[in-house]
Amino acid sequence: EIVMTQSPATLSVSPGERATLSCRASQSVSSNLAWYQQKPGQAPRLLIYGASTRATGIPARFSGSGSGTEFTLTISSLQSEDFAVYYCQQYNNWFTFGPGTKVDIK
Amino acid sequence: QVQLVESGGGVVQPGGSLRLSCAASGFTFSSYGMHWVRQAPGKGLEWVAFIRYDGSNKYYADSVKGRFTISRDNSKNTLYLQMNSLRAEDTAVYYCAKDPKQWLDRGYYMDVWGKGTTVTVSS
Repeated sequence: EIVMTQSPATLSVSPGERATLSCRASQSVSSNLAWYQQKPGQAPRLLIYGASTRATGIPARFSGSGSGTEFTLTISSLQSEDFAVYYCQQYNNWFTFGPGTKVDIK
Repeated sequence: QVQLVESGGGVVQPGGSLRLSCAASGFTFSSYGMHWVRQAPGKGLEWVAFIRYDGSNKYYADSVKGRFTISRDNSKNTLYLQMNSLRAEDTAVYYCAKDPKQWLDRGYYMDVWGKGTTVTVSS
């Protein structure tokens, strides 16, 4: 089983600042990596797939990068609606999610 | 618009059974693979099961293999999850989710999610 880890567990950021979230796979997943956003009481929402392709309707301030075992989600200028939990998910070998990074207000 | 609506959750005793349903609309249901994903209270996401677009192949997480069965009725645009021998650790919100790829045997990621249905296993 491919194990996904995310860091940090919590990221405190001020509105307007840049946020950088990391995701690591225990073995290579190529570019088969997706990112999701989840707000309290809501279902997850797809942000990024293929490691770097934004899903339909996702603002340009969200960007993904990486391949193999190291991936990054960057939010260039945090808006109030971006404070949430972010999960990475690999789909190279079955499906596993990372434990999540909570982005909260500093 | 594309929509997934889960139902069938509730409170069940350990060892009991429950069947979840997911009604799909706004897309050609029979062309896409579908997933079930769950989230225990205060925890992260866990993939549960995937079914091919035509229902001919099904895949399960080890944690539910032999106890849960995923199925679909393409004539009714509905996905199901039959859950037997339920345990306390199965307590979670269960989401159905659409795979973005058409007519493929394997799954990828989840591009549309339902709002979820809550399953509580407790005596």
